Amino acid sequence: QVQLQESGPGLVKPSGTLSLTCAVSGVSISSGRWWSWVRQSPGKGLEWIGEIFHDWNTNYNPSLKGRVTILVDTSKNQFSLNLNFVTAADTAVYYCATSSTFRIDYWGHGTLVTVSS
Amino acid sequence: EIVLTQSPGTLSLSPGERAILSCWASQSVSSSYLAWYQQKPGQAPRLLIYGAVIRATGTPDRFSGSGSGTDFTLTISRLEPEDFAVYYCQQYDSPPRYTFGQGTKVEIK
Repeated sequence: QVQLQESGPGLVKPSGTLSLTCAVSGVSISSGRWWSWVRQSPGKGLEWIGEIFHDWNTNYNPSLKGRVTILVDTSKNQFSLNLNFVTAADTAVYYCATSSTFRIDYWGHGTLVTVSS
Repeated sequence: EIVLTQSPGTLSLSPGERAILSCWASQSVSSSYLAWYQQKPGQAPRLLIYGAVIRATGTPDRFSGSGSGTDFTLTISRLEPEDFAVYYCQQYDSPPRYTFGQGTKVEIK
């Protein structure tokens, strides 16, 4: 059973860096899957942030204008998200997830990150 | 970037009724790239349908997907109490890889 668990600070100051980690269990992060981050602002819809493969190949949402970096740690079976220069607009529930053949089939429970001073 | 528009925004129905949810794409989408998700309050989205018509593991057969090109539909044949939720369509394309519709809320009438 594939399971994903997000962890990281729930509060980040404006202009700071949001950093989250996703621990993966039940499957090797080196399997043929892509590993994604998706966010959902309070009361809003879903926004895909980006994805990484175990070989460090990445794809990012252009809307985030180069502020995002996704990394993978195969030795720990986890991947991470860094989002720089955050503003209140980055306040959201952040989900880690994994995809297989054009759909996102497993999701973490999500973690709320608030940007506030 | 392909934009997905869902209709209606809210659907008010009673248990046992049929729900028909629409998803329109601003450009043609391969059926292989179209999926539907269900999200309940406080929970992560759950994959229901992929490849436009294929039910994901554990999806009851009262859920069905159809459509092609720019017009896709999710049908719930007879609403059960646990089906009242928000539903999102999603397409896969060149960056951004995944885009979602704005969602349709199915609420109890």
